[in-house]
This record gives sequence, C-alpha cells and structure tokens, in this order.
Amino acid sequence: DAGVTQSPTHLIKTRGQQVTLRCSPISGHKSVSWYQQVLGQGPQFIFQYYEKEERGRGNFPDRFSARQFPNYSSELNVNALLLGDSALYLCASSQGQGGYTFGSGTRLTVV
Amino acid sequence: AQSVSQHNHHVILSEAASLELGCNYSYGGTVNLFWYVQYPGQHLQLLLKYFSGDPLVKGIKGFEAEFIKSKFSFNLRKPSVQWSDTAEYFCAVTNAGKSTFGDGTTLTVKP
Repeated sequence: DAGVTQSPTHLIKTRGQQVTLRCSPISGHKSVSWYQQVLGQGPQFIFQYYEKEERGRGNFPDRFSARQFPNYSSELNVNALLLGDSALYLCASSQGQGGYTFGSGTRLTVV
Repeated sequence: AQSVSQHNHHVILSEAASLELGCNYSYGGTVNLFWYVQYPGQHLQLLLKYFSGDPLVKGIKGFEAEFIKSKFSFNLRKPSVQWSDTAEYFCAVTNAGKSTFGDGTTLTVKP
C-alpha cells in the first residue's frame, strides 16, 4: 500500500517568491492535515481538510492557504516567502478523526 | 489556546529499564490524545491513541498510555525498553479539527 506521498522532497526558494507543496493521501483517507516543523520543535498545525472543506486552521498568516481536490489530494500554498518559512512541511491523512499517517515531508529552504 | 507540554526533553535509559514520558495538555474540553514516534531517518508514526472509554490504552511495540482527566495528562509507558526504541516521541492533542503537538522527547536507549 502506498503511504502518504509528498512532493517535492526538497525545495529552495528566494524571499518573496511563492511555493506550492503537494500531498497525496492514503487511498480511502478523506482527511488531510498540514504541519510545519522546525528543528527542535514539534509539528505546528497549519490546516485540516475533510471532504474538500477546511475543518481547522492554525495560527499562521494569510500567506498560507490550502485546498483539497475531489480525489482528496491537497496543495499547500505559501505566498511572499520569508526566511522564517524555512522548515519541514508535513502532510498527514486519516479516514476520519483517527490518528494520522504522516508523509516524509517537503524540506523548504528560503534564501 | 490549547497547548501540550512534554516534561522531558531528552531521556537516556539502559536496555530493560522502564520508561515513562510525561505529557500534559491545557484544554479542558473533549479531546483526542495521541502519541507518535519518529525513528532516526523515518517519518512520524502513530504509537497509540485515546478517544474515549478505558483510560489505559495499548499501542504497538509494547507501549501503553494512561489518560488521567483530572490531571490533564496522557503519559506514555513501557515496562522494558529496547535499543530499537531509540527515537523521538511526540504527544499530540486534537480538538475541533485542530491538532497541537508537544515539542517532543528524545529517548536514547543504551545497549
């Protein structure tokens, strides 16, 4: 069974640019969540989507947005990148309110 | 805002020693509780979860956790650790679609 897949695995962007990260959930999973993880800290919740609707939003600025497609895959968009946006971005999926299965993440470096 | 506190940043044990990792959360309402583990070079994996019912939950690899509502705690335990348990452990709380993770505890088990 394929797990949660994220692309790209690594990305380098310049300050002010925009980035789109992609996530494919496990087949049958309708819920997708996005997290930001910086070194030494736990994952910080950004968004949760369920059945293509936003169900939860963390304390991130409006530069962060996401959407979920009819096939339950998801994209995370970050506009006007700042150096502080450099982090590992994690996607996780679940069938409902159960525990999440995480992907390996996208390492974003902003220079 | 809900928060999760993991008391120990780094724990070092010898093989066969007993393990208890503390986790306290701040939210007073109904929550779902999780422990995740991240082995070196791997992505986050679900160890166990609590939604309701028996406050003592058993997870994979001999781990268990006890939910004590009056103490807002969900401590992780294992009677006898193995070298292969060396990893980072994260406690997480989910409420109304929003998940909050602790900053993690690094466990090093000496052979």
